[in-house]
Amino acid sequence: AQSVTQPDIHITVSEGASLELRCNYSYGATPYLFWYVQSPGQGLQLLLKYFSGDTLVQGIKGFEAEFKRSQSSFNLRKPSVHWSDAAEYFCAVGGYNDMRFGAGTRLTVKP
Amino acid sequence: EPEVTQTPSHQVTQMGQEVILRCVPISNHLYFYWYRQILGQKVEFLVSFYNNEISEKSEIFDDQFSVERPDGSNFTLKIRSTKLEDSAMYFCASSEGVSGTENTGELFFGEGSRLTVL
Repeated sequence: AQSVTQPDIHITVSEGASLELRCNYSYGATPYLFWYVQSPGQGLQLLLKYFSGDTLVQGIKGFEAEFKRSQSSFNLRKPSVHWSDAAEYFCAVGGYNDMRFGAGTRLTVKP
Repeated sequence: EPEVTQTPSHQVTQMGQEVILRCVPISNHLYFYWYRQILGQKVEFLVSFYNNEISEKSEIFDDQFSVERPDGSNFTLKIRSTKLEDSAMYFCASSEGVSGTENTGELFFGEGSRLTVL
């Protein structure tokens, strides 16, 4: 069965600093991988997705993620964090009919 | 841009009451889903729906829950007799499903319906 692990429950970074949010997955086949962001009281917004091809994918708001099959990872990165990036970030694996989410990582941005 | 819409945005109900949460998926999408998120916890899969029937459901989706697509546009989640532990944010999602030769699998989420059971 597929599962997603986000090891970091809460991360704090300073504005302008770089960011990496970790995601590890377990999936029986080639996975579809996603990162969603959730601002307080809001729904889930897709940041980026990986299906196949180039393992480095670009998303919205300056985010990128790299799929590493050997490490079963799909870490999210951003070179310079903005205060508006403070939110909850969810990694998800699967596709239609079987998408599963990680527990989420809460990002706090210090001024 | 097409979007998934959910109503109500917030509902407060008494324990034991029936609740219906409504969703209007994106019009050309074929797969529909309900997820829930208990406050401070992860987003959990409840059920997926395709071709007018449930295609998969989780262990959370017990006999108290049901889903329906009563017409060509709405997709509803009914909780027959609410319990305190049903208090959560419920997200509806839809996906295009198979599209040409590529199944993108991307789910588009609504903004959620917050259910509070007293």
